[in-house]
Amino acid sequence: SYVLTQPPSVSVAPGQTARIPCAGNNIGSKSVHWYQQKPGQAPVLVVYDDDDRPSGIPERFSGSTSGNTATLTIIRVEAGDEADYYCQVWDTSSDHVLFGGGTKLTVL
Amino acid sequence: QVHLVQSGAEVKKPWASVKVSCKASGNTFSGYYMHWVRQAPGQGLEWMGRINTNSGGTNYAQKFQGRVTMSRDTSISTASMELRSLTSDDTAVYYCARIYSSSSGGMGFWGQGTLVTVSS
Repeated sequence: SYVLTQPPSVSVAPGQTARIPCAGNNIGSKSVHWYQQKPGQAPVLVVYDDDDRPSGIPERFSGSTSGNTATLTIIRVEAGDEADYYCQVWDTSSDHVLFGGGTKLTVL
Repeated sequence: QVHLVQSGAEVKKPWASVKVSCKASGNTFSGYYMHWVRQAPGQGLEWMGRINTNSGGTNYAQKFQGRVTMSRDTSISTASMELRSLTSDDTAVYYCARIYSSSSGGMGFWGQGTLVTVSS
C-alpha cells in the first residue's frame, strides 16, 4: 500500500527558511495537499494541488514536488508558524486519502 | 464563506455506537465531497472516509469498513458519521472536512472537531 513519510521534526530560526519533505513513491504524479495544525485547533489547508495557496494563506508558504518527494517551504519563518504539518494525497489505486505522519515545526 | 459546525462532545461505553453530525452553512453543501478525519490524543490525522453529498456515494477506509456509516441530508445541509462497536482505541477528536473546490481534493474547510471518549 502507498505510504507517505515525513520527518518527525524540523527546526528553524526565525526569519530563516523551513523545508518540510514528504516522501512517497512517484509522488510527483499525484496532487499533494499540505495542512498546518496548531495545538487544540482543526487543521488548516495551506497548500493544495502541489503548489496553490487557498485565499488568506500568506505567500510565504509554497509547495513543490519532484520525483519521490514533495516539499512544503516556508520562507521568513515566524514564531506563529510553529505547528504540526501534514502532507496528503489521494491514492487512486485504493480510492483512499492518505496522510503523512506529520512534522512538528519548531521555531528556535 | 463556508462554515462547518459539528455536534458536541460524546462519552460512550465500549461496544456502543456514536453518531457525529456536521452542518454546513449556506449553499455550500451539495456538490462537494465531505470527508471524515479523526485524531487520537497525541497522534496524527487518520482518514475515515468520504461521502459525495450529491449522490450519497461513499468511500470508507479499509480499517473502518463494516463499522462506519456516512450519510447526508441535503435538506438540512448536514453530513453524519456513525461509528459502531466502539473501543478505547476510538477515543479521538473527529473532524468533518469539505473539499476546497470542485476541482481540488484538498480539504479546505474543517469543522471544529468533536471529542469522542470511550470509557467504561
